[in-house]
Amino acid sequence: DSGVTQTPKHLITATGQRVTLRCSPRSGDLSVYWYQQSLDQGLQFLIQYYNGEERAKGNILERFSAQQFPDLHSELNLSSLELGDSALYFCASSGGTPGGPSTYEQYFGPGTRLTVT
Amino acid sequence: AQSVTQPDIHITVSEGASLELRCNYSYGATPYLFWYVQSPGQGLQLLLKYFSGDTLVQGIKGFEAEFKRSQSSFNLRKPSVHWSDAAEYFCAVGAGGTASKLTFGTGTRLQVTL
Repeated sequence: DSGVTQTPKHLITATGQRVTLRCSPRSGDLSVYWYQQSLDQGLQFLIQYYNGEERAKGNILERFSAQQFPDLHSELNLSSLELGDSALYFCASSGGTPGGPSTYEQYFGPGTRLTVT
Repeated sequence: AQSVTQPDIHITVSEGASLELRCNYSYGATPYLFWYVQSPGQGLQLLLKYFSGDTLVQGIKGFEAEFKRSQSSFNLRKPSVHWSDAAEYFCAVGAGGTASKLTFGTGTRLQVTL
């Protein structure tokens, strides 16, 4: 158990819908990351937050957004869903300050499997 | 931009045999290097990491990896594989900067025969 929790574990929804994925980082970690794992794209970095502030964006679609709340949990919002958005979405967390080696030591949650039908 | 190559998509070994999974990275400076393991339906578990210093690093579950700068490699090894090691293994690289993202390889699926 990494200490990172994600809910829900599975999500099935229809095209055009909007969903919210939730993540709670390990105790004490200020950085939260979202990654997408799909068969065709592999594991892709989406976005990073540090202590409530967005730090970096990767290949995140404009239909997707995220935020980190004062209690450090994070939510990933996916809207206008398409079939191609079906994937496993991981949240990870790390300690340390951005850019330092500790922040790269990321601990992953169990993921949310999103199926868009 | 950094990149990671795992040349072996699928490897099969017998239980008790030794294992080496290959990982090559591309980055201008010394990167931070990681190996993760993903069992079916599970998240990614950190096996080991390399930041600097001793080029041979030990991880959990009896795994080790060696950083070779001259070959831009960070291969994962285990002297004796157990059936429970069957999983997918990902090599990842983190480069310096304010974005602490990890770039992952495509993974190597390990099958263990009894």
